[in-house]
Amino acid sequence: ETGVTQTPRHLVMGMTNKKSLKCEQHLGHNAMYWYKQSAKKPLELMFVYSLEERVENNSVPSRFSPECPNSSHLFLHLHTLQPEDSALYLCASSQSARGREKLFFGSGTQLSVL
Amino acid sequence: RKEVEQDPGPFNVPEGATVAFNCTYSNSASQSFFWYRQDCRKEPKLLMSVYSSGNEDGRFTAQLNRASQYISLLIRDSKLSDSATYLCVVNIMDTNAGKSTFGDGTTLTVKP
Repeated sequence: ETGVTQTPRHLVMGMTNKKSLKCEQHLGHNAMYWYKQSAKKPLELMFVYSLEERVENNSVPSRFSPECPNSSHLFLHLHTLQPEDSALYLCASSQSARGREKLFFGSGTQLSVL
Repeated sequence: RKEVEQDPGPFNVPEGATVAFNCTYSNSASQSFFWYRQDCRKEPKLLMSVYSSGNEDGRFTAQLNRASQYISLLIRDSKLSDSATYLCVVNIMDTNAGKSTFGDGTTLTVKP
């Protein structure tokens, strides 16, 4: 285990649903991330939090809303998603967000939007 | 041009073969480099960091050429369990947050 726990592992939702992805890290890290991995595409960084403050938002549509209540927990709130949002969503953490750090990933949430 | 480019693959090799993957990056300010391994439908896991002097971990050897902006991963004596997608990752400092850029990955299948 990497020390990063993500739930749920699988999620199927309709375009009008609201759901949340949860991530918890037990590594004492100060930075947490959300990545999206679509089929046959590289990982795309969505959000970066450093010490609970959002430091990066890579032009992600507002239907994705992150929340970081403390340095151990990260959420991704989803609403009115589109079928093209179906992908593997990965949470990761690192010691800091300063660019030299190794990333530790959770097992991901495989999301299907119908 | 992509920031990080990897051999497209796929690589299909017999057990025991030696295989090498290449990765180039475009930003000369890149500061740290890694190889991750990703199994099908699973999360990426760190395989090894890549140091300027080159480094080895068992059957795996990673090398970095900063002048050519090039990283490589060599796997000797391939095992069936080495079958996976190998991701090249390049990190750069960017204002107050770092940035990890992932390559598309190179898929390796080791066959009996």
